[in-house]
Amino acid sequence: DSGVTQTPKHLITATGQRVTLRCSPRSGDLSVYWYQQSLDQGLQFLIQYYNGEERAKGNILERFSAQQFPDLHSELNLSSLELGDSALYFCASSVGGLAVYNEQFFGPGTRLTVL
Amino acid sequence: AQSVTQLDSHVSVSEGTPVLLRCNYSSSYSPSLFWYVQHPNKGLQLLLKYTSAATLVKGINGFEAEFKKSETSFHLTKPSAHMSDAAEYFCVVSDLGRDDKIIFGKGTRLHILP
Repeated sequence: DSGVTQTPKHLITATGQRVTLRCSPRSGDLSVYWYQQSLDQGLQFLIQYYNGEERAKGNILERFSAQQFPDLHSELNLSSLELGDSALYFCASSVGGLAVYNEQFFGPGTRLTVL
Repeated sequence: AQSVTQLDSHVSVSEGTPVLLRCNYSSSYSPSLFWYVQHPNKGLQLLLKYTSAATLVKGINGFEAEFKKSETSFHLTKPSAHMSDAAEYFCVVSDLGRDDKIIFGKGTRLHILP
């Protein structure tokens, strides 16, 4: 158990809908990272927040957005969902803000299915 | 531009024999390199990382990797495979803080034969 929690574990929704994925980092970790894992794209870094501020942006679509709250939990919002958004979404956390130096601890993931 | 290439999508070895998972990278800077493991239906776990200190890095569960700049490689090895090593392994290059990229390889699935 990494100490990172994600809810829900599974989410089934329809095209065009909007969903919110939630992540609670390990106690004491200030950084939260979001990743998308799909069969065709592999594991892709979406975005990182550090202590409430956006720190780095990867391959995140404009239909997706994220935020980190004062209690350091984070939410990933996916809107206008398409079939291709079906994937496993991971959250990870680390103590510091620089991934080059900090080990990331991964949550168990949220499996999103768009029908 | 950065990239990571895991040269084998699947590797099968017999229990007790050595493991070699190959990773080549390209980076515009001096990268940090990581190996993560993902067991079925689980999140990823860090095996080891290289951050410009010793080129031979020892990780958990008997794994190690050697950073070879001249070959732009960061291959993962283990002297003797165990059934519990069956999982997917990801090589990762990170330049966050420089050009803010984290790049994962496509993954190598390791199968352990009894």
